[in-house]
Amino acid sequence: SSELTQDPAVSVALGQTVRITCQGDSLRNYYASWYQQKPGQAPILVIYGKNNRPSGIPDRFSGSSSGDATSLTITGAQAEDEADYYCNSRDYTSNRVIFGGGTKLTVL
Amino acid sequence: QVQLQESGPGLVKPSQTLSLTCTVSGGSINSGGYYWSWIRQVPGKGLEWIGYILYSGITYYSPSLKSRLTMAVDTSKSQFSLKLRSVTAADTAVYYCARQYGDTFGQYYFDYWGQGSLVTVSS
Repeated sequence: SSELTQDPAVSVALGQTVRITCQGDSLRNYYASWYQQKPGQAPILVIYGKNNRPSGIPDRFSGSSSGDATSLTITGAQAEDEADYYCNSRDYTSNRVIFGGGTKLTVL
Repeated sequence: QVQLQESGPGLVKPSQTLSLTCTVSGGSINSGGYYWSWIRQVPGKGLEWIGYILYSGITYYSPSLKSRLTMAVDTSKSQFSLKLRSVTAADTAVYYCARQYGDTFGQYYFDYWGQGSLVTVSS
């Protein structure tokens, strides 16, 4: 089986750039997607595919990938970006859907 | 705008069956390329994928839950459902239904989510 690994917590100063990473063998075969979740709310999709943003997601959110790792970058982090972020993909050995453990982003 | 809404009991006794329904509106549940999914989240913890069902009725379940799980789809009502048998306190979680898109280019993502339904397993 395949898993996705994320750093548990990351912090960034207001207005600065932060990168949240996700690593796993499946990312060599499938694109990751990224979700933002604020307390008490359902996750929302922020990045999918090579580097696509759903309608309504600010352009300060971007995605990139290399090998078995993928990153979510927030350029000019805002206070409202403080949230948990999860990466997601498919297990390349099966049809199983997998999530990373999540990264708690703190905006200082 | 596609909307999903979970419904079902908020409290289930241990050893009983947890049943939830997701109603889809604003879009067709019959659309190809979509996997109608269930995901849960233990309070304070991460997201756990439970399984999915296609509009045709084809299912794929998480191996860790497969022995206790049944999903069904009712296209006439634009609903899909989840039944989890023999529940314990460890199954207490917020249960989300979501639509997952998948294609042959390696893109898989959950583009629409329900608001979530907290199910507590307790006597």
